[in-house]
Amino acid sequence: DGGITQSPKYLFRKEGQNVTLSCEQNLNHDAMYWYRQDPGQGLRLIYYSQIVNDFQKGDIAEGYSVSREKKESFPLTVTSAQKNPTAFYLCASSPRRTLLNQPQHFGDGTRLSIL
Amino acid sequence: AQKITQTQPGMFVQEKEAVTLDCTYDTSDQSYGLFWYKQPSSGEMIFLIYQGSYDEQNATEGRYSLNFQKARKSANLVISASQLGDSAMYFCAMREALTQGGSEKLVFGKGTKLTVNP
Repeated sequence: DGGITQSPKYLFRKEGQNVTLSCEQNLNHDAMYWYRQDPGQGLRLIYYSQIVNDFQKGDIAEGYSVSREKKESFPLTVTSAQKNPTAFYLCASSPRRTLLNQPQHFGDGTRLSIL
Repeated sequence: AQKITQTQPGMFVQEKEAVTLDCTYDTSDQSYGLFWYKQPSSGEMIFLIYQGSYDEQNATEGRYSLNFQKARKSANLVISASQLGDSAMYFCAMREALTQGGSEKLVFGKGTKLTVNP
């Protein structure tokens, strides 16, 4: 079945360490997104990508980096510059850059905690 | 910028009863779209229903329906015949343009936690 796979499900980061969250989709979608969710909050956009080799900052990009070398893959790196990385991270994709009436499809998320 | 407000942090409903989850929005766009998602405790976001601003009828999808009142800028989700499996967080979201290139993102409300009691 087509879908979005995020790994790992749980991740722990030590102080000063960079960690990378994986997001792979086999839906042949052009657009991919990374969201952050804090307890009691909605989702906030970190980065998005419309096509391969292109990505843009979202609302809370500081301390994060991404790459889009393949259509299927959009990994997110949480750098040591992100001082409060503990959160739930969700990856999403959509068929095209304009959503119209098509919902974004989401992965199952990665829960990141500080050791 | 768009804004989504969900004023009910938590709601309780008895199994088999109907429940309404509130959502109000703020936008200056004439054309817009509203989505509702369900997030179980496992974390994945499940799309439930969509309402476009120009849709003449309220959206329905199985036990889910939208009470869309454009003049009041509200898009409340109605769940009929609640089931225990409906216990989850529910998020209202709206499309928002990202760049002039036509990209869009979703702007989310803070969510409502629904608990269905047996």
